[in-house]
Amino acid sequence: LAKTTQPISMDSYEGQEVNITCSHNNIATNDYITWYQQFPSQGPRFIIQGYKTKVTNEVASLFIPADRKSSTLSLPRVSLSDTAVYYCLVGDLRGKLQFGAGTQVVVTP
Amino acid sequence: DSGVTQTPKHLITATGQRVTLRCSPRSGDLSVYWYQQSLDQGLQFLIQYYNGEERAKGNILERFSAQQFPDLHSELNLSSLELGDSALYFCASSVGVAAGHTDTQYFGPGTRLTVL
Repeated sequence: LAKTTQPISMDSYEGQEVNITCSHNNIATNDYITWYQQFPSQGPRFIIQGYKTKVTNEVASLFIPADRKSSTLSLPRVSLSDTAVYYCLVGDLRGKLQFGAGTQVVVTP
Repeated sequence: DSGVTQTPKHLITATGQRVTLRCSPRSGDLSVYWYQQSLDQGLQFLIQYYNGEERAKGNILERFSAQQFPDLHSELNLSSLELGDSALYFCASSVGVAAGHTDTQYFGPGTRLTVL
């Protein structure tokens, strides 16, 4: 069964860059890597998705090495409102969806 | 607002009972997913339906069942409830065109189930 692991928590100051790495060694060959953000008592919200190399949108960047066994979500210049739990999601070789345990990011002034 | 609706928002019931959670996907989405989120287990994938058919199964207990109806709404049935079933249950939807590919999912606000 796929094991998707990510750090439990990360602290940062406003304006800094936050990088969260997720390990997913059993990712399905043709599947994408997706990251979600979740605030307390709300459903997760899509941030970014990628298959390989680098993807960038207006809120984040996603770096995926050639072996695709990990991915790194990069949040540039975080603000207090970026305090949330961040999850990576992949499909494993058997087609099961596997969320990581989530990384609590706390941004302080 | 993701466009996914879930009812009810809160549900309190007793052990041994049966409940039904309802989900309406975003307009145009054919796939519906169900997740359980508890404090000690994180987000656990339960099951996925695509256009009325079961597409993928996760860690769903035999006491739980789901279905997707012709109008694409979905229901998750939880029976013989135990204290440990207390959790947030999320529904998500996606376009769901390609099998074996993780679509962008849009999550509903969740149903908080409390079993006493």
